[in-house]
Amino acid sequence: QKEVEQDPGPLSVPEGAIVSLNCTYSNSAFQYFMWYRQYSRKGPELLMYTYSSGNKEDGRFTAQVDKSSKYISLFIRDSQPSDSATYLCAMIDYKLSFGAGTTVTVRA
Amino acid sequence: ETGVTQSPTHLIKTRGQQVTLRCSSQSGHNTVSWYQQALGQGPQFIFQYYREEENGRGNFPPRFSGLQFPNYSSELNVNALELDDSALYLCASSLGQPIEPLHFGNGTRLTVT
Repeated sequence: QKEVEQDPGPLSVPEGAIVSLNCTYSNSAFQYFMWYRQYSRKGPELLMYTYSSGNKEDGRFTAQVDKSSKYISLFIRDSQPSDSATYLCAMIDYKLSFGAGTTVTVRA
Repeated sequence: ETGVTQSPTHLIKTRGQQVTLRCSSQSGHNTVSWYQQALGQGPQFIFQYYREEENGRGNFPPRFSGLQFPNYSSELNVNALELDDSALYLCASSLGQPIEPLHFGNGTRLTVT
């Protein structure tokens, strides 16, 4: 079993829709949780970074962490074609462990 | 603020050869990590350097080795290349220990034929 499981997608939504992305994890030592966005032929770009259970908002992005269920989510409101990318969840114990990534396409 | 830069951007090598990839950390960052990202997969941790010492390693064989220099730039060396080493190699830097968010470069695309 992988330490971090991420819904594989791909996901295709119309412009303006809410995008919902999820990851589960098995390692209780994970304390910090991140979401990265990766465009084609680019390195991952940090979107959200959180430590505690609960919600964290940044503009159109909301990160949600439920440590009791070992489950994290990322929501993108009012999605735009420029949000089309691969989204990677990541978690830290002593190293950063990534999910496999979900490819999202927002259709204009 | 200068971000993480990696060179070269693309590289083609033959099985059995050796390769060196280079990374310049973001200004002020003293920790550098290397990741391997196979096509369609998330990045996999290779190792991390903090103040020129390796202080963490993932499940990669010893033919993957690295260096960090006093200016915090870094190299990843891979000996005896195998076809499965074909991947995007990402360098990331951070300030201090791993709990700080990592800032990634755009990677080196290595193809082994």
